[in-house]
Amino acid sequence: GAVVSQHPSRVICKSGTSVKIECRSLDFQATTMFWYRQFPKQSLMLMATSNEGSKATYEQGVEKDKFLINHASLTLSTLTVTSAHPEDSSFYICSARGGVGYTFGSGTRLTVV
Amino acid sequence: GESVGLHLPTLSVQEGDNSIINCAYSNSASDYFIWYKQESGKGPQFIIDIRSNMDKRQGQRVTVLLNKTVKHLSLQIAATQPGDSAVYFCAELSGYSTLTFGKGTMLLVSP
Repeated sequence: GAVVSQHPSRVICKSGTSVKIECRSLDFQATTMFWYRQFPKQSLMLMATSNEGSKATYEQGVEKDKFLINHASLTLSTLTVTSAHPEDSSFYICSARGGVGYTFGSGTRLTVV
Repeated sequence: GESVGLHLPTLSVQEGDNSIINCAYSNSASDYFIWYKQESGKGPQFIIDIRSNMDKRQGQRVTVLLNKTVKHLSLQIAATQPGDSAVYFCAELSGYSTLTFGKGTMLLVSP
């Protein structure tokens, strides 16, 4: 079946630094990938749609200069949280269309201290 | 019983009971629905899906029912097991757009 690999699974960074999260489709090509954010005991909120070879589409209220998305190949999308602040601490999850419906990565727990 | 927590409603059942998790969706144009299971610290895992031209679909121990008239979706889990404890989300899709997730329900199964 379709597998989406997300790395790292958890990261702690200092306030003001940047963090990159990778999302790879392992056995299929994904022209479109999606990035979600999830706070504790809440649902997944779509942040942006990542399109291979073109600019990402951001949801309303998501700062594109803060959450940089790059989808340079058909199997890799990256999300960079720039100048991270404690309020950016969250669970970030990527997904891609593949297999049955949409396949999700295992998530990245970001803690900004 | 079912209770509403700080953000996430919770359904508590005994092992062996049948569980029913409900979801109200918002977009009458949605034509594809998916149920996901999310364990703590992990990404959502596909359980079962249904298209809008169906009102029922069965999998192994799970059944999804779709009522388009009232925009309601339910997930039934037969003979619930402790390993079924997780948060369950319904998600809807209209056309070729993005998935929109419901609020989620936490299922707690006690032995």
